[in-house]
Amino acid sequence: EAGVAQSPRYKIIEKRQSVAFWCNPISGHATLYWYQQILGQGPKLLIQFQNNGVVDDSQLPKDRFSAERLKGVDSTLKIQPAKLEDSAVYLCASSLATGQPQHFGDGTRLSIL
Amino acid sequence: AQSVTQPDIHITVSEGASLELRCNYSYGATPYLFWYVQSPGQGLQLLLKYFSGDTLVQGIKGFEAEFKRSQSSFNLRKPSVHWSDAAEYFCAVGNSGNTGKLIFGQGTTLQVKP
Repeated sequence: EAGVAQSPRYKIIEKRQSVAFWCNPISGHATLYWYQQILGQGPKLLIQFQNNGVVDDSQLPKDRFSAERLKGVDSTLKIQPAKLEDSAVYLCASSLATGQPQHFGDGTRLSIL
Repeated sequence: AQSVTQPDIHITVSEGASLELRCNYSYGATPYLFWYVQSPGQGLQLLLKYFSGDTLVQGIKGFEAEFKRSQSSFNLRKPSVHWSDAAEYFCAVGNSGNTGKLIFGQGTTLQVKP
């Protein structure tokens, strides 16, 4: 089966600019997750969707980050405006249902200048 | 609050030697436990998981892990390391009782000497 697809793989922007990341989960996976992985740390959950509804966004900086999964399939994560501390790898994962093993994409590496 | 501690940030072993990566968790109820591996520039790949039952779980690539409730540990082991095992390893704890949210440790980088 095809894995979780993410694009772009790399993005370089200047601070205060906006950026968007795209994720297409494994077919049939109802649950989708966005994680932020800062260099030298483990991934931290930003937001979790169940179909097109938000389950957990408690650690999403809502003043600058937003995410949507309008049709319950693919998802976009946006940052506007970006800050230097947003430099990280953004990982998307999906699972058949909550509590089931999560399958990760290769991530988008974001660098803020 | 849930937390995961991986005490070793960096480990170096010789090829063919045995390996043990430590993981300690803090969670009030029965945890779901996972080990993931991440190669440079790639996402995380699931090595193995513990949900319930036998406390010794087998995973892919010859890895195994043992859940010890009394020690709040879930250490990862491999009897003979290969050079291709060099990567970063993450332990994670989750609870399917609520959202399935995973809490990750900070990771252990494994270097394999020839």
